Amino acid sequence: AQSVAQPEDQVNVAEGNPLTVKCTYSVSGNPYLFWYVQYPNRGLQFLLKYITGDNLVKGSYGFEAEFNKSQTSFHLKKPSALVSDSALYFCAVRDQAGTALIFGKGTTLSVSS
Amino acid sequence: EAGVVQSPRYKIIEKKQPVAFWCNPISGHNTLYWYLQNLGQGPELLIRYENEEAVDDSQLPKDRFSAERLKGVDSTLKIQPAELGDSAVYLCASSLQETGELFFGEGSRLTVL
Repeated sequence: AQSVAQPEDQVNVAEGNPLTVKCTYSVSGNPYLFWYVQYPNRGLQFLLKYITGDNLVKGSYGFEAEFNKSQTSFHLKKPSALVSDSALYFCAVRDQAGTALIFGKGTTLSVSS
Repeated sequence: EAGVVQSPRYKIIEKKQPVAFWCNPISGHNTLYWYLQNLGQGPELLIRYENEEAVDDSQLPKDRFSAERLKGVDSTLKIQPAELGDSAVYLCASSLQETGELFFGEGSRLTVL
C-alpha cells in the first residue's frame, strides 16, 4: 500500500533564510508526487507535482521540490522564506494513474520576521 | 474559471441529527473526491467518483455515511445519524486528468454537540 511520511510536525525558519520541508514516500510502482499548502480555515492549494522527467520541479510562489528515487524523498524547498509562507504543508502521493491521493499528516511552517 | 464550491461552510448540529454537504466541482472535471480532515491531520479519502460511478468507497463508513453524484456533476455527502466523532472538515475536490492535481473546495466544517 502506498504511504507518505512527513517527519517534522513543525519547521521554524527566519525570513530570508532557505527552507526545507521533508517528505518520504512508499509506493509499489512509479510515484506521482504532490505538494499542497493550507492556510487557516481554507481548502488545500496545489503548489507543484512530479509525474516524470526532471527531478527538480518548480511550482507556485517560488517553491520547488526535488525528487530522489533512491531515497524515496520529495522535499519541498524555497531559497528565501517569506513570513507569508507560514502555513500547513502537505505532501501527497498516488501509485498509479486514476487513484486517489494519499496525504501525509502535514508540517506547519513558521517563518519569523 | 470558478473553483470547487462547497456548502455549507459551517454546520453545527446535535448528535443523532442528520447533516448533508453539497459540492459543485470545476466544470468538466470527471473525477470527484470527498475527503475527511480532522484537526491537525492530513485529508483522508472517503469516496471517489468517476462521473456518476463510485469507484473507491472503501473508507466510507456505510452504516451512517452515504454519498451520491447524480448526473456526474454535483455531489452530496450525508451523515445520518451524526456522532460526536464526526466533527471535522469535509473537503471536496475534483480533477481533470488521471495524473493531474486535485482542486479543493474551501471545506465544510462540521461540529457535532
